[in-house]
Amino acid sequence: NAGVTQTPKFRVLKTGQSMTLLCAQDMNHEYMYWYRQDPGMGLRLIHYSVGEGTTAKGEVPDGYNVSRLKKQNFLLGLESAAPSQTSVYFCASSYPQGAGTSGLYTGELFFGEGSRLTVL
Amino acid sequence: AQSVTQPDIHITVSEGASLELRCNYSYGATPYLFWYVQSPGQGLQLLLKYFSGDTLVQGIKGFEAEFKRSQSSFNLRKPSVHWSDAAEYFCAVGDGGYNKLIFGAGTRLAVHP
Repeated sequence: NAGVTQTPKFRVLKTGQSMTLLCAQDMNHEYMYWYRQDPGMGLRLIHYSVGEGTTAKGEVPDGYNVSRLKKQNFLLGLESAAPSQTSVYFCASSYPQGAGTSGLYTGELFFGEGSRLTVL
Repeated sequence: AQSVTQPDIHITVSEGASLELRCNYSYGATPYLFWYVQSPGQGLQLLLKYFSGDTLVQGIKGFEAEFKRSQSSFNLRKPSVHWSDAAEYFCAVGDGGYNKLIFGAGTRLAVHP
């Protein structure tokens, strides 16, 4: 049981290049999220998805696109990378409220180990 | 808008000493509150959560937190810190459904032997 897996774990890009971060979860969670972590700012929500084929904007969506073609995968894309997108990116997943396997709502997000992206 | 403030950026304690990490939130209704811990190079792990009921909640690794509505606070405590507790700690509040969270800036804990 791997939980939430992010690839790649490290990447260096030049300004203007594009890339995709992949998040995969094996817990059959409905909800998935992409956060970015910057020093002194905690984690900020970029985009999220509440089910296969659905996506929604979070707090800081500009410059990013996402797709959820399969329930277990959530992709984060940067079409034209900028130095301001240098950050550590975390994917997370969770059950819907009140729909855990035991019928209990945990409200817990399960996080991947992060992907460190540097844009030069 | 909802927000979370963690006033202490860095805290250093001696091993065996008690610990209290502060968290203040801004939220109109009864909040869902969380504490997460991040070890170096790792993702975040849930320590404990508060939804309703008893205002003192117990978590993993010997941590507890107390919800005080009058002070809009949810401080994390541990009676005796271990060297392995050195990490970054994040307080978070639920943000309007779908389990979205708003995080504080984090408090980095260092533990001296």
